[in-house]
Amino acid sequence: LAKTTQPISMDSYEGQEVNITCSHNNIATNDYITWYQQFPSQGPRFIIQGYKTKVTNEVASLFIPADRKSSTLSLPRVSLSDTAVYYCLVGGDNFNKFYFGSGTKLNVKP
Amino acid sequence: NAGVTQTPKFQVLKTGQSMTLQCAQDMNHEYMSWYRQDPGMGLRLIHYSVGAGITDQGEVPNGYNVSRSTTEDFPLRLLSAAPSQTSVYFCASSLRLAGPDNEQFFGPGTRLTVL
Repeated sequence: LAKTTQPISMDSYEGQEVNITCSHNNIATNDYITWYQQFPSQGPRFIIQGYKTKVTNEVASLFIPADRKSSTLSLPRVSLSDTAVYYCLVGGDNFNKFYFGSGTKLNVKP
Repeated sequence: NAGVTQTPKFQVLKTGQSMTLQCAQDMNHEYMSWYRQDPGMGLRLIHYSVGAGITDQGEVPNGYNVSRSTTEDFPLRLLSAAPSQTSVYFCASSLRLAGPDNEQFFGPGTRLTVL
């Protein structure tokens, strides 16, 4: 398994930028890094994916250093509705490489 | 597009009973998978399929069977339910296995309780 390590939980306040870092020391050459968001009683939802450097979409940015052994999900100006669990996945060509782990529980306070 | 649909949403079984959790997708995705999520935990892969007629085991396959007779459907069968199978079950599908653009689309889940 391409295991990943993330903080168990984080607290933030509305309007702040939140950065969640994921470690994936055993990432393989062809692995992509994907982040998902999960609200209570719902299935995970795709947020962003990247291979190297920086990727940005309408909801988040993903920063990946040159050695690709970690990645950072950046959520700009969070709101209460961003309270959720965030999972970092690393995987390429094998289903059994996808490891969700326990994720990071983000709690956004007013 | 309905995306990934799962039925039922909730189910209560007695130990030893069998049942089938249904999963369907209308996105013409080749890759489908079943995960279980226990309270406060991440998702663990039960079984997956890389196309019609092709299935394989994930991390926690014991006590579950799958089949994939069509691209759209991927049912999960519990052979003889046990309390340890009390969990929330998610079905997912994806267009690709390897990146890029291999994101998985998840269904709403089935909450199963085994007494």
